Amino acid sequence: QVQLQESGPGLVKPSETLSLTCTVSGGSISGSIYYWGWIRQSPGKGLEWIGSIYHSGTTYYNPSLKSRVTVSVDTSKNQFSLKLSSVTAADTAVYYCARHEYNYGFEDWGQGTLVTVSS
Amino acid sequence: DIQMTQSPSSLSASIGDRVTITCRSSQSISTYLNWYQVKPGKAPKLLIYAAASLQSGVTSGFSGSGSGTGFTLTISGLQPEHFGTYYCQQSYRTPYTFGQGTKLEIK
Repeated sequence: QVQLQESGPGLVKPSETLSLTCTVSGGSISGSIYYWGWIRQSPGKGLEWIGSIYHSGTTYYNPSLKSRVTVSVDTSKNQFSLKLSSVTAADTAVYYCARHEYNYGFEDWGQGTLVTVSS
Repeated sequence: DIQMTQSPSSLSASIGDRVTITCRSSQSISTYLNWYQVKPGKAPKLLIYAAASLQSGVTSGFSGSGSGTGFTLTISGLQPEHFGTYYCQQSYRTPYTFGQGTKLEIK
């Protein structure tokens, strides 16, 4: 059973860059059919897909965030990462990492990590 | 972007009831529709994928149907563990988008 775990700072200052890492265990990112994605949920709001990456490095981003988002993969560490630049209070959310097949649902999720943007 | 609209936004039902949640997409998405259950402090759980396929490990009682622009999630024999918020999500085209959620409370 694959497991995903998010890690990173819980507090980020406005205008700075939010950086999170997702560590995958129980399965390999390399050579997998799966895509590895990031989703967030702002307080009291719904779910928003941020972007996904394939082990080859192919990425897909939400256009609403594309200018500020970078998703990368480190197959040697079995990890993938999220960077979101120029954050504001509107980026305060629980951030989840998840895996999915292309055009299918997010079938495995991390527990989520709350990131607060505040000075 | 494909917009997903769920109804109702909340509902309250009794143990043993059958409940239905509806999801509509702003354009046809074939059967690229997934349903999730979200509980506070827990990872979202995929219940149904491809509109009607039960995800492995999900208890029976959940069923999905629909194609094109209209979809339903039905929970038969409501149990206390079914409380939470349910979301639909289209995986037809990026950006993947979610409905606004339906909060299910147990009477």
